[in-house]
Amino acid sequence: EDQVTQSPEALRLQEGESSSLNCSYTVSGLRGLFWYRQDPGKGPEFLFTLYSAGEEKEKERLKATLTKKESFLHITAPKPEDSATYLCAVGSGNTGKLIFGQGTTLQVKP
Amino acid sequence: NAGVTQTPKFRILKIGQSMTLQCTQDMNHNYMYWYRQDPGMGLKLIYYSVGAGITDKGEVPNGYNVSRSTTEDFPLRLELAAPSQTSVYFCASSYLQDLEQYFGPGTRLTVT
Repeated sequence: EDQVTQSPEALRLQEGESSSLNCSYTVSGLRGLFWYRQDPGKGPEFLFTLYSAGEEKEKERLKATLTKKESFLHITAPKPEDSATYLCAVGSGNTGKLIFGQGTTLQVKP
Repeated sequence: NAGVTQTPKFRILKIGQSMTLQCTQDMNHNYMYWYRQDPGMGLKLIYYSVGAGITDKGEVPNGYNVSRSTTEDFPLRLELAAPSQTSVYFCASSYLQDLEQYFGPGTRLTVT
């Protein structure tokens, strides 16, 4: 069965304190791993797509990496404006659909 | 480009009432999707469409119906609303199935 698990559920950081969010997945024939950012009361906003193990992508303070079993979203020297819920989703080769994790809610305190 | 737009933003329904959630995209995307998001849960796919005139069920289709008469519009119909349909509904679109999806701002629905 296709499954996506994100950890931790919630993360509190001080401004400047780097950390990583984890997305573990079990899927038949990975067809892309997607990271989204979601602010309260808004729709998910696309961040990155990774298609193969070893691939990395960066955007400002965020860096996403991918292995055969998991993805990490590294946040370097976060700022309060990075506070949001980060969603991970995988494209299933079995169904062709996106399967979402439950998200990690990040709070960065000044 | 406005991207993906949804109306209404908020709605309160009584049990048994019906309503249509509207979704429009201006990116000429072939694929469109409806998800629901419940607190602490991931997004669940309700219905999707691969093009005008073609729709199919997702993971949680019961109690909902869709149609796709144009590339731009993908309305979601709720018949006989139930409290279990209280949720936030998101519409999304993508150019191809394996590419990133772009989401609308959501509709917060409460059924009482």
